[in-house]
Amino acid sequence: DAKTTQPNSMESNEEEPVHLPCNHSTISGTDYIHWYRQLPSQGPEYVIHGLTSNVNNRMASLAIAEDRKSSTLILHRATLRDAAVYYCILSPTQGAQKLVFGQGTRLTINP
Amino acid sequence: KAGVTQTPRYLIKTRGQQVTLSCSPISGHRSVSWYQQTPGQGLQFLFEYFSETQRNKGNFPGRFSGRQFSNSRSEMNVSTLELGDSALYLCASRTGSTNEKLFFGSGTQLSVL
Repeated sequence: DAKTTQPNSMESNEEEPVHLPCNHSTISGTDYIHWYRQLPSQGPEYVIHGLTSNVNNRMASLAIAEDRKSSTLILHRATLRDAAVYYCILSPTQGAQKLVFGQGTRLTINP
Repeated sequence: KAGVTQTPRYLIKTRGQQVTLSCSPISGHRSVSWYQQTPGQGLQFLFEYFSETQRNKGNFPGRFSGRQFSNSRSEMNVSTLELGDSALYLCASRTGSTNEKLFFGSGTQLSVL
């Protein structure tokens, strides 16, 4: 499975944008990029996923580099509830049935 | 719609015992996956069931097994418990189509003494 690299931790302030980076230099052409987050005492929660083009949903935006070797999860206006561990995961075309989670980025939001 | 339900929420067992964890997926979801989460190893995939058949398996010993029933509910069993099996066990469900999102439960926290 292709591997992702994320910073161990990041810190931001409430109501400011947050850019969470992810490097995946060995990504294959058919790998989707998934982001999940895990709030304290909860199971992971889906955030967003994409293949080549940038993606937006109500939670976040996903910006994918042209060579697909890196991507950035963007939280446009962070709230205290966004404090969580964020996981960037690669998944082959055939589905999200065997996600390989890395250590993720622990995001702290300061009030 | 109710989310993924896992029972029990907490469990304490002793070495050598066996344990069964239960997972009820979201209504209409046919795929159930199990993950183990520990502070040292993070989240690791155990196995996935789809329509009562195991479709994928992670790198865990045979002491870890599972099954899925015709109503898509799933159980996971761990036999001959070891101290290292102490972990949060998470269940996730999805409808079963390709490359869609997983919905996770809150997990069962297993402590082996």
